Amino acid sequence: AQSVTQPDIHITVSEGASLELRCNYSYGATPYLFWYVQSPGQGLQLLLKYFSGDTLVQGIKGFEAEFKRSQSSFNLRKPSVHWSDAAEYFCAVEGTGFQKLVFGTGTRLLVSP
Amino acid sequence: DAGVIQSPRHEVTEMGQEVTLRCKPISGHNSLFWYRQTMMRGLELLIYFNNNVPIDDSGMPEDRFSAKMPNASFSTLKIQPSEPRDSAVYFCASSPPNQPQHFGDGTRLSIL
Repeated sequence: AQSVTQPDIHITVSEGASLELRCNYSYGATPYLFWYVQSPGQGLQLLLKYFSGDTLVQGIKGFEAEFKRSQSSFNLRKPSVHWSDAAEYFCAVEGTGFQKLVFGTGTRLLVSP
Repeated sequence: DAGVIQSPRHEVTEMGQEVTLRCKPISGHNSLFWYRQTMMRGLELLIYFNNNVPIDDSGMPEDRFSAKMPNASFSTLKIQPSEPRDSAVYFCASSPPNQPQHFGDGTRLSIL
């Protein structure tokens, strides 16, 4: 069965500092991987996705993620965080062709001045 | 593009009452998903439809929950009778073939 682990429940980063949110997945084959962001009172917005090909994926809002098969990881990065990035971030995995997303428990990002 | 539209945004009702949540997917999307989000259990997939047909309802917690998709532009999730432990945020999402899901803003349900 697929599973996703986000080991950090919450992270605080200073505005302008770099960010890395961790995600590890469990799946027997090459999965589809996603990062979503959720602002308070809103639904989930897709930041980026990995289906195949280049393991460094660029997304919206200046985010990127790198798929590392050897580490079963798909960490999200941003070089310089803005106060508006404060939100909850979810990593998700989809078994190829199954159309079912399995989400991690989320990481809440706090941005300090 | 209007996005996935859910109604109502908020629902407060007493236990034992019937609750109906509604979802209008994005036009052209052939898959529709219902999720529940709680602090304790995170985001859980309840059921999903492909071309209006339920494909997997293994996440539906019990018989009190039912979902329908009578046509490509409308789906409902019904809880009857409702219980306080059903309180959560319920999300609907839709996707075109082999593409990521787009989420609605959710319905915050409180059962008193």
